[in-house]
Amino acid sequence: DTAVSQTPKYLVTQMGNDKSIKCEQNLGHDTMYWYKQDSKKFLKIMFSYNNKELIINETVPNRFSPKSPDKAHLNLHINSLELGDSAVYFCASSPQGRPDQPQHFGDGTRLSIL
Amino acid sequence: GQSLEQPSEVTAVEGAIVQINCTYQTSGFYGLSWYQQHDGGAPTFLSYNALDGLEETGRFSSFLSRSDSYGYLLLQELQMKDSASYFCAVDDKIIFGKGTRLHILP
Repeated sequence: DTAVSQTPKYLVTQMGNDKSIKCEQNLGHDTMYWYKQDSKKFLKIMFSYNNKELIINETVPNRFSPKSPDKAHLNLHINSLELGDSAVYFCASSPQGRPDQPQHFGDGTRLSIL
Repeated sequence: GQSLEQPSEVTAVEGAIVQINCTYQTSGFYGLSWYQQHDGGAPTFLSYNALDGLEETGRFSSFLSRSDSYGYLLLQELQMKDSASYFCAVDDKIIFGKGTRLHILP
């Protein structure tokens, strides 16, 4: 009965590869997010979708492409992985993305680039 | 620009009270949120303040002063399990502070 689930939990791969991270929420929320947390614990928003529509697209290399097949899923595809992409990636959701609504985070995907 | 400032580390003793401050600068402010993150875990929501004043939830309270662009999280009766990182966040574009690492001594 996990609320926000991400797969895989760990991802170790080589520079230059392409990888995807999947996220699903069973809370019935309309809004989903992707965050990147670096080694210094800095948590930075990457993308936000509301009901499958892109709302926030921060300054992220275009090697990162989010895809939302339906409002319960927001996947992240990364092309040509670089060393600097090593981080923990968190998916989150909130009911309608309103400021007063808490975000519910997944457990994170720990991406390591060799 | 948009920024949030909070201390990088705070140390307190079990059973004591600790305050974690957050100052912000943002173009579109709706409210201030606080999240807790244990090592290796996911951030979890603690509180949200849209209006000036103190909001209390059990041992945790959060304060906001919009005129001062300032807020704080107050943790009372500290327990060892409160050792974690605490993030303030503003909601214009969901900007998080860099987090305050809380160390609790027995």
